[in-house]
Amino acid sequence: GAVVSQHPSRVICKSGTSVKIECRSLDFQATTMFWYRQFPKKSLMLMATSNEGSKATYEQGVEKDKFLINHASLTLSTLTVTSAHPEDSSFYICSASLGFADTQYFGPGTRLTVL
Amino acid sequence: AQTVTQSQPEMSVQEAETVTLSCTYDTSENNYYLFWYKQPPSRQMILVIRQEAYKQQNATENRFSVNFQKAAKSFSLKISDSQLGDTAMYFCAFMKAGNAGNMLTFGGGTRLMVKP
Repeated sequence: GAVVSQHPSRVICKSGTSVKIECRSLDFQATTMFWYRQFPKKSLMLMATSNEGSKATYEQGVEKDKFLINHASLTLSTLTVTSAHPEDSSFYICSASLGFADTQYFGPGTRLTVL
Repeated sequence: AQTVTQSQPEMSVQEAETVTLSCTYDTSENNYYLFWYKQPPSRQMILVIRQEAYKQQNATENRFSVNFQKAAKSFSLKISDSQLGDTAMYFCAFMKAGNAGNMLTFGGGTRLMVKP
């Protein structure tokens, strides 16, 4: 149990375009989903926390207009990188949990390359 | 704010031997949870073990066990009978309990190489 999927696993796009990444909890309903960014050989950096049906909470320094998060249902959250630039190239990981103090289960990640 | 420190950036161990990864944390909270996650080369984050701070008994999961020292704010991971598949980055993480407790604070990670 507790499987989280992410799509796509890899995406290459041109500078200035927008990219959408989907995160799904496959066998449980996730009241809370998280989006992380990970640079090579570094730890995970939390970008935002999203609860179903409400606006996401962004961490300090994360541009909410650039990284749009939608948590439309208890099994789906999306991250849209708008007007992507090469510096947005990174590994993006989502996680999902049943609720407060519950273990987070992670998706396999999405590698974004912006040319 | 909480901080999590992993003082060993890299470690190696021979197959079948035992290795211990260190983790210390700083918090003023009394109720919290601690985790070890594994990230193999595939980069999929996998939960290894979870410890509730109110439990005195150390958590174990097969070959993985922790040494939780609450007063010392230490949470080390012991891997017994190391296997080649244990080669990965290991992250220690902290989560507050209660209504506000949902966010994970990660340490910087320890890269473990298991040698044949």
